[in-house]
Amino acid sequence: DTGVSQDPRHKITKRGQNVTFRCDPISEHNRLYWYRQTLGQGPEFLTYFQNEAQLEKSRLLSDRFSAERPKGSFSTLEIQRTEQGDSAMYLCASRRTGGNEQYFGPGTRLTVT
Amino acid sequence: DAKTTQPPSMDCAEGRAANLPCNHSTISGNEYVYWYRQIHSQGPQYIIHGLKNNETNEMASLIITEDRKSSTLILPHATLRDTAVYYCIVEGMGGGADGLTFGKGTHLIIQP
Repeated sequence: DTGVSQDPRHKITKRGQNVTFRCDPISEHNRLYWYRQTLGQGPEFLTYFQNEAQLEKSRLLSDRFSAERPKGSFSTLEIQRTEQGDSAMYLCASRRTGGNEQYFGPGTRLTVT
Repeated sequence: DAKTTQPPSMDCAEGRAANLPCNHSTISGNEYVYWYRQIHSQGPQYIIHGLKNNETNEMASLIITEDRKSSTLILPHATLRDTAVYYCIVEGMGGGADGLTFGKGTHLIIQP
């Protein structure tokens, strides 16, 4: 049973560059979530998908951030014109319909220099 | 804002029971108490959840007070691998179907 996977695990980029992260949820989980976690804080919700539809976006998700889940399977999170404040761990989670638990991936750690 | 209050850190000796408290005085009647933990450099992991009755699974026990304003997560025989940040989360049925709201959690350190 494969869990949630994320790629890459680590990304170092220069300020102003664009970055894209990928999340592969557990098969047949129709809800997919993105969170951001900074040092010493709990994860903060960014957005989620029900199949391919993006249903909610946090006010934390500025217009430099965009997420997609084109076929209702994997998802991508893109950050344009990265800033140092974007340095964080980006976590993906998935959940099956009717389930109570979210299953988290290992995260992508972004460092913006 | 998170609806729960947890101590920032706790220590527990290996082999002993770890009791992690959580206050959620504003919990409403249809909200559940969920516990997740996050081991260093990993994503959070679901542990257990409950509404008003005590719950037990292979990982832990959850004791919810009768007035539901507080709860305790119990790890019966803590091991070094239980060192992690433990998050107590209050959400509606479905476990944060629209996204979980995490606080800062309790950093539990198991001492050898």
